[in-house]
Amino acid sequence: QVQLVESGGGLVKPGGSLRLSCAASGFSLSDHFMSWVRQPPGKGLEWIAYISSRADVIKYADSVEGRFTISKDNATNLLFLQMNSLRAEDTAVYFCRRRDHWGQGTLVTVSS
Amino acid sequence: DIVVTQSPLFLPVTPGEPASISCRASQSLLHSNGYTYVDWYVQKPGQSPQLLIYLGFNRASGVPDRFSASASGTDFTLKISRVEAEDVGVYYCMQALQKFTFGQGTKLEI
Repeated sequence: QVQLVESGGGLVKPGGSLRLSCAASGFSLSDHFMSWVRQPPGKGLEWIAYISSRADVIKYADSVEGRFTISKDNATNLLFLQMNSLRAEDTAVYFCRRRDHWGQGTLVTVSS
Repeated sequence: DIVVTQSPLFLPVTPGEPASISCRASQSLLHSNGYTYVDWYVQKPGQSPQLLIYLGFNRASGVPDRFSASASGTDFTLKISRVEAEDVGVYYCMQALQKFTFGQGTKLEI
C-alpha cells in the first residue's frame, strides 16, 4: 500500500530555515519522479520542486529557486525539502506528491 | 513559463446533471512523444488532492467512469456525465510539460 507521510513543519521566523521530510512506503523512491506542492491557507495549489527517479533532473519554481533544495535518500526512502531564507509568503501546507498519491501535508508558518 | 487558465472558477451543479471544466495552456502541451502532459486532480473538503486523469484523458485507478477528459494541444476539458454529491470539491488541471503549473481551481458546489 502506497503511503506518503510528511513531517517537519512548524512555526519559523522570517529568514529562518526548516527541513521537511516525506517518508515513502509501499514503493521505492528510486523508481519514481517526486515533487513538492504547497497550498497557502484558503488558496490553490502551487508546485515548487521536483526530482527525477535517478535525481539527475531537478527543477524549481521561480518563487523558491535559490532558497529551497529538494533531495532524497533512496536507502531510507525519504524525500526532503530544505527551505532557507523563509518569507511570510512561504506559509502554506506542504505536500509531497507522487503522480498518483499525495501525503496529508505538513503546515509551515512563517511569522515573527 | 507555461500559464494555465482554468474556467469557470465556481461551478454550481444539480445532482444528476452534467458538468464541464475547461483549461487552456499558453502553449501546446503535446510532447513529441505523442503524450499530452496535462493531469486533472480533485481536492475534496479537508483532504489532499487526488488524481483523476493523467496524460490528457486517462482515468486514474478507481476513478468512476462518469469522469472523462479530452485534450487538444492547448485546450483541455474535464467532464462529469452525472454529478453526484460526493463530487463536491475543487478541481485543478496541471501542466507537466515544462516544470509544473496548476490552474486556479474550479470549486464545484451542489
